[in-house]
Amino acid sequence: GAGVSQSPSNKVTEKGKDVELRCDPISGHTALYWYRQSLGQGLEFLIYFQGNSAPDKSGLPSDRFSAERTGGSVSTLTIQRTQQEDSAVYLCASSLMGSTNTEAFFGQGTRLTVV
Amino acid sequence: DQQVKQNSPSLSVQEGRISILNCDYTNSMFDYFLWYKKYPAEGPTFLISISSIKDKNEDGRFTVFLNKSAKHLSLHIVPSQPGDSAVYFCAASANSNSGYALNFGKGTSLLVTP
Repeated sequence: GAGVSQSPSNKVTEKGKDVELRCDPISGHTALYWYRQSLGQGLEFLIYFQGNSAPDKSGLPSDRFSAERTGGSVSTLTIQRTQQEDSAVYLCASSLMGSTNTEAFFGQGTRLTVV
Repeated sequence: DQQVKQNSPSLSVQEGRISILNCDYTNSMFDYFLWYKKYPAEGPTFLISISSIKDKNEDGRFTVFLNKSAKHLSLHIVPSQPGDSAVYFCAASANSNSGYALNFGKGTSLLVTP
């Protein structure tokens, strides 16, 4: 498809397990972002990839969170030893860079529930 | 630290009337502002934006106003339609180590009643 695709759309996991969330950005978009939305909160920035540069991980809440972007395209967000407070909707977005008129296009999100 | 604030969690407006959604920000480095609309179980979709060099941008029924001195922006929807019922997020960006990472408010849930 032409949009940002995320999988799975829903994930229920037991506390302490590891999870992987996948994002396929729009083809040609060099910038990729991960956000999360906890219940009643706004969208919280997690991590940013731009081309082949080192990612900006300043938004990751703990060292249990990590992300990769292979070949400048698909990205995987990994949460190790999940905790109940990790329950949220995880959103991926991609955009073209090089302009201040940056519109980020979002995927539909992955709803993670840690039980 | 919330740099973008939407102080009204919800708003109810009658169909045909004007909806005004407000947003305040604290970071004077922000130079680009956007509004996103979100339906349940979907990702946010871009609605309208404004650069800090402007004070107004209009697109059909949607107009965004920016008051830099007050660090305030607002989204006007007129006339409001039931299909506009959604959560509206205000976002702001500045070129930083995070590229143009968007800083979001907590959203305002708009309900347009027939």
